[in-house]
Amino acid sequence: TQLLEQSPQFLSIQEGENLTVYCNSSSVFSSLQWYRQEPGEGPVLLVTVVTGGEVKKLKRLTFQFGDARKDSSLHITAAQPGDTGLYLCAGYPNSGGSNYKLTFGKGTLLTVNP
Amino acid sequence: NAGVTQTPKFQVLKTGQSMTLQCAQDMNHNSMYWYRQDPGMGLRLIYYSASEGTTDKGEVPNGYNVSRLNKREFSLRLESAAPSQTSVYFCAGGRGLSSYNEQFFGPGTRLTVL
Repeated sequence: TQLLEQSPQFLSIQEGENLTVYCNSSSVFSSLQWYRQEPGEGPVLLVTVVTGGEVKKLKRLTFQFGDARKDSSLHITAAQPGDTGLYLCAGYPNSGGSNYKLTFGKGTLLTVNP
Repeated sequence: NAGVTQTPKFQVLKTGQSMTLQCAQDMNHNSMYWYRQDPGMGLRLIYYSASEGTTDKGEVPNGYNVSRLNKREFSLRLESAAPSQTSVYFCAGGRGLSSYNEQFFGPGTRLTVL
């Protein structure tokens, strides 16, 4: 059972377009993180959201944590080729002994064409 | 600071061979993790170490063993490699065990088992 479902799985857009990537679950999370992974490299943390309803901005990237802490979204404004990569959401389930094992979604592979 | 380093970067094994994947961090992290990443499966936790001297199983521990040699080093051993263990392996470090623990990943080891 995949705790975190990401959509879409693949996304190919033109430079300058806006996009939103979703990370959904039926479980509550203590916190959610977004990572970006480029080919041949390890994931790099972009942001951590911890409070329901929280919105964080990182230049052209906007991250939102759902009010019920079950979902999150990543919105990119005016995408650039440098945004190309695999975007992974990950979270710590708010349950028992598993709350220190980070659970990852399968990722959204974003390609931004010049 | 090198961050999290992994050796080797690439490895090809024959079924039944053994090998050890090495991971070292210079970020003074208390916790360390081993993940595998397979197409369409996302990142899955193999083993983790909350602190020096402790190790625990993750989601997919079968066929692997780990050693937390000291605070800096956390190795992953395949005693008898199988084709199902063909994957990209990532080591990560974190400040400790918490529901907000941010993890820092190494560049990965690409393992092929023939």
